Amino acid sequence: QTVVTQEPSLTVSPGGTVTLTCASSTGAVTSDYYPNWFQQKPGQAPRTLIYRTNNKHSWTPARFSGSLLGGKAALTLSAVQPEDEAEYYCLLYYGGLVIFGGGTKLTVL
Amino acid sequence: QVQLVQSGAEVKKPGSSVKVSCKASGDTFSNYTITWVRQAPGQGLEWMGRIIPLPHVANYPQKFQDRVTITADKSSSTASMELNSLRSEDTAIYYCARELVDYSASSGYVYYGLDVWGQGTTVTVSS
Repeated sequence: QTVVTQEPSLTVSPGGTVTLTCASSTGAVTSDYYPNWFQQKPGQAPRTLIYRTNNKHSWTPARFSGSLLGGKAALTLSAVQPEDEAEYYCLLYYGGLVIFGGGTKLTVL
Repeated sequence: QVQLVQSGAEVKKPGSSVKVSCKASGDTFSNYTITWVRQAPGQGLEWMGRIIPLPHVANYPQKFQDRVTITADKSSSTASMELNSLRSEDTAIYYCARELVDYSASSGYVYYGLDVWGQGTTVTVSS
């Protein structure tokens, strides 16, 4: 059974920078896994921030960026705002199959 | 801008079925794929399957292969997800989302991301 692993929780100060990661139990994450990143706030549907590793949608704030880092997919938030406090999920593609990570609860404090 | 609007909340008995719909507007329905994701209370996201409307091809993960049917009606720009043999563990919010895909004769369908999500449909399974 393939597992996608994220940090359960992270804390960052307003104005700071934080990197969330997404690892695969099958080995290093490459661009062939087309990593996606989603933000979900309480009571809301998820919102896609990043697709295909580092591509942003028109609604994605510039302070969010995606990359590959040390064999994992990564989401970096720069100049963090209080409104960035949320749950963040990654998604990896295994051929046509989709597996989500367990989510990272980001606290801005 | 594509919008996905889902049907309303449902309360179902164990052993019954539920059908959730997802109506698209703002783009040509047959040009993209609809994927379904669920989220149990306090839990993470779980992929349930997808449909490509034009060839009407559906894909499911093994976990849902026997209980989920995803369909699409091009005439109404609506995708639907039916879940059978409901149990209490199926209590969740069910989301549809547009899935981005490339197609080539050599590679077939290559899925690479999601963009717009529906608002979610709460399904409660309780006796």
